[in-house]
Amino acid sequence: NAGVTQTPKFRVLKTGQSMTLLCAQDMNHEYMYWYRQDPGMGLRLIHYSVGEGTTAKGEVPDGYNVSRLKKQNFLLGLESAAPSQTSVYFCASREAGGTYNEQFFGPGTRLTVL
Amino acid sequence: AQKVTQAQTEISVVEKEDVTLDCVYETRDTTYYLFWYKQPPSGELVFLIRRNSFDEQNEISGRYSWNFQKSTSSFNFTITASQVVDSAVYFCALSEAAIRGGSNYKLTFGKGTLLTVNP
Repeated sequence: NAGVTQTPKFRVLKTGQSMTLLCAQDMNHEYMYWYRQDPGMGLRLIHYSVGEGTTAKGEVPDGYNVSRLKKQNFLLGLESAAPSQTSVYFCASREAGGTYNEQFFGPGTRLTVL
Repeated sequence: AQKVTQAQTEISVVEKEDVTLDCVYETRDTTYYLFWYKQPPSGELVFLIRRNSFDEQNEISGRYSWNFQKSTSSFNFTITASQVVDSAVYFCALSEAAIRGGSNYKLTFGKGTLLTVNP
């Protein structure tokens, strides 16, 4: 099993450009999450999904959109990138139910917006 | 609202010293879950431990131990006889329990503690 994978690993964008980050998991998990990590800020939740076809806003959703068309994939889109979106982005997934279950994280995507 | 505070931004120790990382949390839920994750210099997040709010037993795993005290809303992490490979950022996180109409189990993270273990 590959677990949680993220594509790409690194990306540099210019202000105003758009891009999509792909998260894929092969563990048949229901729940998926997108976090961003900024220096001294810990991880903050951007959007999440509790199942295929569902999405919901997290703590810092502005400037991002997401889609969960397939259970194994969770896409994070930036329509018009801004320097404030320079960050490391982590995707995570977890099983449904079993409130004791931990989230499994992908390796992260380092995004720089110039 | 939930909140996790890791007051220690950075800690530096010499190898073989014991070190404790503090974690204080706030929640209005009576049922909740606490986690510790490790982020080594390579950047990935590694799950270390979970604890639910009904289980106040301390846990030991090799050189790692965790002290959960509901009375002080703390979930501290101790590394005994630290090693250079323990150098990493450590995150404490809180997960909300089921909410009305559904569960999302999203994590609220502390800001992390950077632990440097010097040889």
